[in-house]
Amino acid sequence: GAVVSQHPSWVICKSGTSVKIECRSLDFQATTMFWYRQFPKQSLMLMATSNEGSKATYEQGVEKDKFLINHASLTLSTLTVTSAHPEDSSFYICSAIRAGEQEGTQYFGPGTRLTVL
Amino acid sequence: GDSVTQMEGPVTLSEEAFLTINCTYTATGYPSLFWYVQYPGEGLQLLLKATKADDKGSNKGFEATYRKETTSFHLEKGSVQVSDSAVYFCALIGRGNAGKSTFGDGTTLTVKP
Repeated sequence: GAVVSQHPSWVICKSGTSVKIECRSLDFQATTMFWYRQFPKQSLMLMATSNEGSKATYEQGVEKDKFLINHASLTLSTLTVTSAHPEDSSFYICSAIRAGEQEGTQYFGPGTRLTVL
Repeated sequence: GDSVTQMEGPVTLSEEAFLTINCTYTATGYPSLFWYVQYPGEGLQLLLKATKADDKGSNKGFEATYRKETTSFHLEKGSVQVSDSAVYFCALIGRGNAGKSTFGDGTTLTVKP
């Protein structure tokens, strides 16, 4: 159990377009989801915390108008990269905390590779 | 604030060698501690965890013990395999931190046959 999926697994887009990435918890309800960005050979950088039914909380330095997050249900959160530019190219990973789990174990999605041309 | 310091890599070992990846942390109170593994091109998978002092997490031959006195959570495996080649991340979740994790920088392990 505790499977998280992401879609798409990779995407290539032109500069100036918007890209939506979906994060789904397949077999559990997730009250909280997190979005991370990972650069090559580097650790994960937390971008924002997404709670179902409320606005996302963004980390310092992350543009909320650039990276739109919607957590519409207990099983789905979406990250939209608006007006993408080459510097937005990265590996985006989501994670989810199962509702009712006290220890806060995060279950990670497989990641989405975004390449902006 | 909370922080996690991992042994710098990369680490290269021969098959069946003993593995230790050091991890120390700074946190207020008593955090939960985790080791995650990331295989190339994939997301992170939980490897093991410990939620209180002296707990030992174990999985797939890997072990780590929550040492409050040394604020450490070192990862060990007695005999590594080629399939263990991956990046390993130590992480913590501080108490009352709404589930937000603090990650170490990751340690790349390569096991050669």
